[in-house]
Amino acid sequence: AQSVAQPEDQVNVAEGNPLTVKCTYSVSGNPYLFWYVQYPNRGLQFLLKYITGDNLVKGSYGFEAEFNKSQTSFHLKKPSALVSDSALYFCAVRASWGGGNKLTFGTGTQLKVEL
Amino acid sequence: ETGVTQTPRHLVMGMTNKKSLKCEQHLGHNAMYWYKQSAKKPLELMFVYNFKEQTENNSVPSRFSPECPNSSHLFLHLHTLQPEDSALYLCASSQDPLAGADWYFGPGTRLTVT
Repeated sequence: AQSVAQPEDQVNVAEGNPLTVKCTYSVSGNPYLFWYVQYPNRGLQFLLKYITGDNLVKGSYGFEAEFNKSQTSFHLKKPSALVSDSALYFCAVRASWGGGNKLTFGTGTQLKVEL
Repeated sequence: ETGVTQTPRHLVMGMTNKKSLKCEQHLGHNAMYWYKQSAKKPLELMFVYNFKEQTENNSVPSRFSPECPNSSHLFLHLHTLQPEDSALYLCASSQDPLAGADWYFGPGTRLTVT
């Protein structure tokens, strides 16, 4: 079975500081990894994904994530946080082979960026 | 907007009512999904449809009944729900489920069962 762990319910960051939202995963074989963001009263919006290739993936709004196979992690990062980045962030995983349509999500991490 | 729409956005229903949620996508995708989002819990995959055929039912109670009449539309029929069914119900679609395709999500229907 595949699973995702987001160990922090909430992350607080001052505007202008770097931010990290943690994600670890468990899956059979190679993973496809995703980050989504959810603003209040909205659906999930795709941020970035890792399929293969370069371990550092760049996505929307200045976000990036680094795939670390040995640590089974896919942490989301941004060099300089903005107040408008405040939202709920979800990490998701799917097996690259045999995973079918099953995209498994974590519980989400609430990011709060303050002035 | 992601190209996936859901109606209604909010729904309050009694335990004996029958209602339906609607999802529509005009992205040309061939896979559609229903997810349930409850506070402090991972998103729960409920149903998967590929080319209008149901390919996954994730042990969902029979009081939830999906319908996919074509590749662009997905319904979730609700009857005799329980208060614990109150949640945000999200619809999603994707192009090719066997590749690293992106899932596109609708805004969700906030369901309250009284």
